[in-house]
Amino acid sequence: SYELTQPPSVSVSPGQTASITCSGDKLGDKYACWYQQKAGQSPVLVMYQDSKRPSGIPERFSGSNSGNTATLTISGTQAMDEADYYCQAWDIITPVVFGGGTKLTVL
Amino acid sequence: EVQLVESGGGLVKPGRSLRLSCTASGFTFGDHVMSWFRQAPGKGLEWVGFIRGKAYGGTTEYAASVKGRFTISRDDSKSIAYLQMNSLKTEDTAVYYCSRGLSVAGIDWYFDLWGRGTLVTVSS
Repeated sequence: SYELTQPPSVSVSPGQTASITCSGDKLGDKYACWYQQKAGQSPVLVMYQDSKRPSGIPERFSGSNSGNTATLTISGTQAMDEADYYCQAWDIITPVVFGGGTKLTVL
Repeated sequence: EVQLVESGGGLVKPGRSLRLSCTASGFTFGDHVMSWFRQAPGKGLEWVGFIRGKAYGGTTEYAASVKGRFTISRDDSKSIAYLQMNSLKTEDTAVYYCSRGLSVAGIDWYFDLWGRGTLVTVSS
């Protein structure tokens, strides 16, 4: 089955840039999307089709996907961005595959 | 208001059944794939399955972990999606979310609207 791998945790200082990676075999040949989940809340789509931001998502969120790695970048990270982030992609065997999630700490 | 509201969760014994509902409002329900996800306590997101809209035959797909035990259906006249869970196991304990799906050419799914979830606890 297709697997997506994320680092368990990423730390960033306020105002700095956070990069969260998601690795999978030939992931760049698929579309990746990203969800933000704050403590006790439902997931929120923050990026789709690699680099498209849904309405209402701040411009500081950006995405890329090439080779085996998709990356969610948060520029000028704010305390409100502290959350778990999940990447997700499609696979012919399992249509919806998630990475294990990355806990972003803003300290 | 565009929203999804899950209901039907609760405490159930292993081996029993439970049906969850997802009531949609504020959008054309029948045009969209509706999916179920779950999240065990302290764990990550897991896809459970989805059902396509009538235009795509209302067909379903399931994760291997629930295939043969769980069934997703929909009533477009009521804007409700259902998750019928049979032969429940303790490892099915989780918050269950429903979500609206979008895709590129029927693949490359992403999910842009989520409900608040409903907790299912499977325990004797």
